[in-house]
Amino acid sequence: RKEVEQDPGPFNVPEGATVAFNCTYSNSASQSFFWYRQDCRKEPKLLMSVYSSGNEDGRFTAQLNRASQYISLLIRDSKLSDSATYLCVGGPKAAGNKLTFGGGTRVLVKP
Amino acid sequence: NAGVTQTPKFQVLKTGQSMTLQCAQDMNHNSMYWYRQDPGMGLRLIYYSASEGTTDKGEVPNGYNVSRLNKREFSLRLESAAPSQTSVYFCATRGGSTDTQYFGPGTRLTVL
Repeated sequence: RKEVEQDPGPFNVPEGATVAFNCTYSNSASQSFFWYRQDCRKEPKLLMSVYSSGNEDGRFTAQLNRASQYISLLIRDSKLSDSATYLCVGGPKAAGNKLTFGGGTRVLVKP
Repeated sequence: NAGVTQTPKFQVLKTGQSMTLQCAQDMNHNSMYWYRQDPGMGLRLIYYSASEGTTDKGEVPNGYNVSRLNKREFSLRLESAAPSQTSVYFCATRGGSTDTQYFGPGTRLTVL
């Protein structure tokens, strides 16, 4: 089993709709979680950190469920520019340790 | 601030040639990482350096060597390139108050 697993998609989303997807992690000791966005042939960029209490940044909401070991990302009012691959990331809190990246979930927002 | 920079942006090698990929950061982060990403696939960790003077193997270290030259610079060397090493290589740092990773723009390497 992979340490961080994601549905590869693609999730085809009408513009203006809401889309949500999850990521599961197997290492119960993981403490830091993030969502990154990666556009085709570009470097991953931080979308948001995921806090235990959940957090929201504009149209994006991230949740952490430690009991079931998954994190989620919800995108409201999808824009064409939200089309990208979303990478789930987890790992130990200390910066000197490795973070583990999921394979990514591809989202395609269509007019 | 430039953040994380990588050179070169593109490179074509012949099988058996050697080269060094350079990475530099001005973020004052202790930790630096090298990943490779193949088409349609996720990131795979090659090597990382938790702090200046230390390096550790990641998931796919075979065929590579690294040098943490100082706090700012972390280089990746291919001693004898193989077509299987054709990939996009990303350097990253980790640190700051949010403990997140920041990536360089990548080096696109083709080995013929």
